[in-house]
Amino acid sequence: DAKTTQPPSMDCAEGRAANLPCNHSTISGNEYVYWYRQIHSQGPQYIIHGLKNNETNEMASLIITEDRKSSTLILPHATLRDTAVYYCIASVYGGSQGNLIFGKGTKLSVKP
Amino acid sequence: GAVVSQHPSWVICKSGTSVKIECRSLDFQATTMFWYRQFPKQSLMLMATSNEGSKATYEQGVEKDKFLINHASLTLSTLTVTSAHPEDSSFYICSARDAASGGEQYFGPGTRLTVT
Repeated sequence: DAKTTQPPSMDCAEGRAANLPCNHSTISGNEYVYWYRQIHSQGPQYIIHGLKNNETNEMASLIITEDRKSSTLILPHATLRDTAVYYCIASVYGGSQGNLIFGKGTKLSVKP
Repeated sequence: GAVVSQHPSWVICKSGTSVKIECRSLDFQATTMFWYRQFPKQSLMLMATSNEGSKATYEQGVEKDKFLINHASLTLSTLTVTSAHPEDSSFYICSARDAASGGEQYFGPGTRLTVT
């Protein structure tokens, strides 16, 4: 699996958009970009994933650069409940090799 | 979204005893389940991958005789920590891959194990 790098921490004001960057310069063609988050003492929660195209769901948007070497997770209107550690993971979709290897993630603090 | 449960949510046991943790996919079938361990202020570490009806694949450094994994059905995997010691105290999290969709993994809420 390709290694990803994320800033260790970020702050965001409540109600503003939170933009979380992720670098994955060694990502291979069959690896997807997954985003999960973990609120303290809970299991990780799936947010979104994508391969090449930008993706949007009810939780967030995922913007992937054309060269696929980096991506940005956007929480359009951050709330205090979005405070969590956010993990960006590059992994093959499904199959026996699709293990999710977690890095250190970005600790997002949403402040009132 | 798909729901994965774990039982118990927390357990305290004495050193030398064994503890079993259950992981269930409640509304989907999971051909593959994963077990992770997380120490305080650290990230999740993958321990093993289990496929229904076959032996689990353990990550390097994880003792398969100490962490017994059974995945006997498409909705249930169990992790047994044998002869637990205080250093096994950790947050154990399972995840399950939805066989129908092929890719998404859904995580359980975790089990806090404390060995005294």
